[in-house]
Amino acid sequence: DIQMTQSPSSLSASVGDRVTITCRASQSISSYLNWYQQKPGKAPKLLIYAASSLQSGVPSRFSGSGSGTDFTLTISSLQPEDFATYYCQQSYSTPPQFTFGPGTKVDIK
Amino acid sequence: QLQLQESGPGLVKPSETLSLTCTVSGGSISSSSYYWGWIRQPPGKGLEWIGSIYYSGSTYYNPSLKSRVTISVDTSKNQFSLKLSSVTAADTAVYYCARHTYSLFDYWGQGTLVTVSS
Repeated sequence: DIQMTQSPSSLSASVGDRVTITCRASQSISSYLNWYQQKPGKAPKLLIYAASSLQSGVPSRFSGSGSGTDFTLTISSLQPEDFATYYCQQSYSTPPQFTFGPGTKVDIK
Repeated sequence: QLQLQESGPGLVKPSETLSLTCTVSGGSISSSSYYWGWIRQPPGKGLEWIGSIYYSGSTYYNPSLKSRVTISVDTSKNQFSLKLSSVTAADTAVYYCARHTYSLFDYWGQGTLVTVSS
């Protein structure tokens, strides 16, 4: 099974800050890595797919990079609506076997 | 606009079977491009993929839950369902249904809390 880790588990930041979240896979997953944002009481929302492709309608301040085992999600200038928990998810396995990272909570400093 | 809605009991007794249904509207569950899945989230914790089904009936399960999970599809009702047997308190969670491609989850239901308690 492919295991996913994220760091940090939580962070405090201010509006306008640049924020970077890291996700690591237990084996190479090429670019089969997606990022989701979840706000309290809501379903997750897809932000980035295939490691670096921006989902339609997602602000351009969100970006993703990486391949293999190490990936990053960057928010270039944190906005009030970005305070949430972020999850990575791998989709490398065949047949489909999905694993999510443990999440990174971004809260207000 | 595609919408998914979970339904089912919010309280299940230990050792019994949890049963949920996801109703899809605004699109066909028989689309050849998509799979239909279940994901759960225990209170205050992260996301866990339970399993998925293709409209043809092909199923894919999380190995850690496979012995207790059955996912089925009813194309005539545009619904798919989850059954999780022999539940314990550890199965208490918000259960989400979602549409996915081979790799990403793009539409989610709002989620439904299922509590396992006597």
